[in-house]
Order: sequence, then C-alpha cells, then structure tokens
Amino acid sequence: QVQLVQSGAEVKKPGASVKVSCKASGYTFTSYGISWVRQAPGQGLEWMGWISAYNGNTNYAQKLQGRVTMTTDTSTSTAYMELRSLRSDDTAVYYCARVGFLGGHDYWGQGTLVTVSS
Amino acid sequence: QSVLTQPPSVSGAPGQRVTISCTGSSSNIGAGYDVHWYQQLPGTAPKLLIYGNSNRPSGVPDRFSGSKSGTSASLAITGLQAEDEADYYCQSYDSSLSGSEVFGTGTKVTVL
Repeated sequence: QVQLVQSGAEVKKPGASVKVSCKASGYTFTSYGISWVRQAPGQGLEWMGWISAYNGNTNYAQKLQGRVTMTTDTSTSTAYMELRSLRSDDTAVYYCARVGFLGGHDYWGQGTLVTVSS
Repeated sequence: QSVLTQPPSVSGAPGQRVTISCTGSSSNIGAGYDVHWYQQLPGTAPKLLIYGNSNRPSGVPDRFSGSKSGTSASLAITGLQAEDEADYYCQSYDSSLSGSEVFGTGTKVTVL
C-alpha cells in the first residue's frame, strides 16, 4: 500500500533552517510528483511547491521563492523540503503529498509540526 | 489570501443535503483547470474526496459529489452523517503568479 512517512517534529529558532523528509513506499517513486503543503495553527492549507521525482523539476509558491528548496533522493525514495530564514509565522504542520495521475493529491504524509520560537 | 473562496461554515441535520461552494476566477477555475476536494478530520491529514471536478477515488461514498460551472465549483454531501463533520477544501491550479496550485479558504461542516 502507498505510504508517505515524514520525519518528526522540530523546534527551531528564528533565522534557522529546517529540513523535513518524506519517505515513500508502495509505488514507483519516480513516476509521481510530490507537493508540500503547510497548515498554520487553526488556519487553512497553503501549497508550498512541487517537485518531480522523475527529473527534479520544481515549482515553488511565489511567496516562498528564495527560502525554500525541494529535493529528492531516488535511491531511498525520499523527498525533502528545506525552509530557511525561519520566522514565527512559519510555525505550521508541514505535509508532503503525492500528485495523482488524474489530478489532486491522492496520498498524504502524516504531517510534521515545525515550531519556530525564540 | 487564497484566490479560491469558500463559505467559512455550513451545517445540516443528519440525513440532510449540504453544499459547499468554491468561487474562483478566470485564471483558475474559469480557465478550465480541474477542481479537487479534500476532507480533513480534526488532527489528521487531508484526504482526497473528489478529483477532476466530479470523480470519486475508490472507497469514497457516493454521498459525496462534485460539480463545476464557469468560475465556480461545488461539493455536495447528501444523507449527511455525524462522521462527515470536518473541514473541506477545494483546490485548483492558478495561471497567474507564475502558476501554482491553490487551495480554497476552507469550510467547516457541522452536523447538528
């Protein structure tokens, strides 16, 4: 069965960086793209960007350009999302999600809470 | 600020029908891009409910249905059940801002 398993919760200070991992299993990793979506406490879903696991092409949300980098390691079927220059409003649960062939995000990781606090 | 607008909340009694609207513009839904819907139960990750405007993934009850017209889309839940109490989000693609996926503002469904 398809699974996306994310790394554990993180606590970071303002200005620091965080790197969240998303290990995929149960499907051919390079056949699908991975999106990253975050959700601040009590707020809605925010799309952060997408990476092709086939060729590494990326598309980032404009508001995060320059602070976010998405990568994949096809040898371990793992996707990564690094966010730099963290601010308090980056505190959120970060999700990875597989982009389905027919559209939409069909499988989601369990989420990783990133807390940014001094 | 999301470019897809949903009502903050809708409610209904068990067995009733409720609908959730998702209003976009000519750069997203109106441009012909597909709309997808997600259900998020408290404390859990979102779950794909409808893809490609009106298609249900395997395992999603046929009580859930989606439609799209012009610059808007709708999710209908018929035969409302207590377990349907959750947050619902629409999602589409927007060709402005260098192109990006966008989520709706979200709607809380309450079963009375």
